[in-house]
Amino acid sequence: DTGVSQDPRHKITKRGQNVTFRCDPISEHNRLYWYRQTLGQGPEFLTYFQNEAQLEKSRLLSDRFSAERPKGSFSTLEIQRTEQGDSAMYLCASRSKSGPSTDTQYFGPGTRLTVL
Amino acid sequence: GQNIDQPTEMTATEGAIVQINCTYQTSGFNGLFWYQQHAGEAPTFLSYNVLDGLEEKGRFSSFLSRSKGYSYLLLKELQMKDSASYLCAVRAYGGATNKLIFGTGTLLAVQP
Repeated sequence: DTGVSQDPRHKITKRGQNVTFRCDPISEHNRLYWYRQTLGQGPEFLTYFQNEAQLEKSRLLSDRFSAERPKGSFSTLEIQRTEQGDSAMYLCASRSKSGPSTDTQYFGPGTRLTVL
Repeated sequence: GQNIDQPTEMTATEGAIVQINCTYQTSGFNGLFWYQQHAGEAPTFLSYNVLDGLEEKGRFSSFLSRSKGYSYLLLKELQMKDSASYLCAVRAYGGATNKLIFGTGTLLAVQP
């Protein structure tokens, strides 16, 4: 399967700890998105990469959040000093730069974060 | 501002047809998407409309009216596996990001 993959699928941490999530996009997709989804809500945009450049960050992305995509392939999302309000599903999506499916974002299975 | 409205929940019967509506008000419009999301899983792409009219894909069809800020997803011959949340998302125009703005989703329960 060559879909978007995310690791870990589940993460339980204590308040104040740091966590890091990884996203591997579909091969050759140069555009990568992070979203956050809480229960009963739709996903909310966090940040966007085109290749290795982070081109947009949402106001939802506080200073405790940082995302990287160092070689334009996989991406990491780190949350420092986690708070209970950070508990959510973190979704990654990728999009092709060309071809018939260039308009569509394809989502990974998400990382469910629980902050105790 | 950005606002996308869709019903919170719907119930339908196996074998029937159901229509899920979505209205939107966004600053710029560059396409509307429907995704299906089963509990605890990733959203799965269903359809994309950028021009007015109906797009049909098997048992699923999606309609768009840009002048009315309105779309619907039509599901025919409902199956139990269609029980899921259906997310309406607008791609806002402007910049390179093409981020999606999602509604809260419509939780569809298909009953025998």
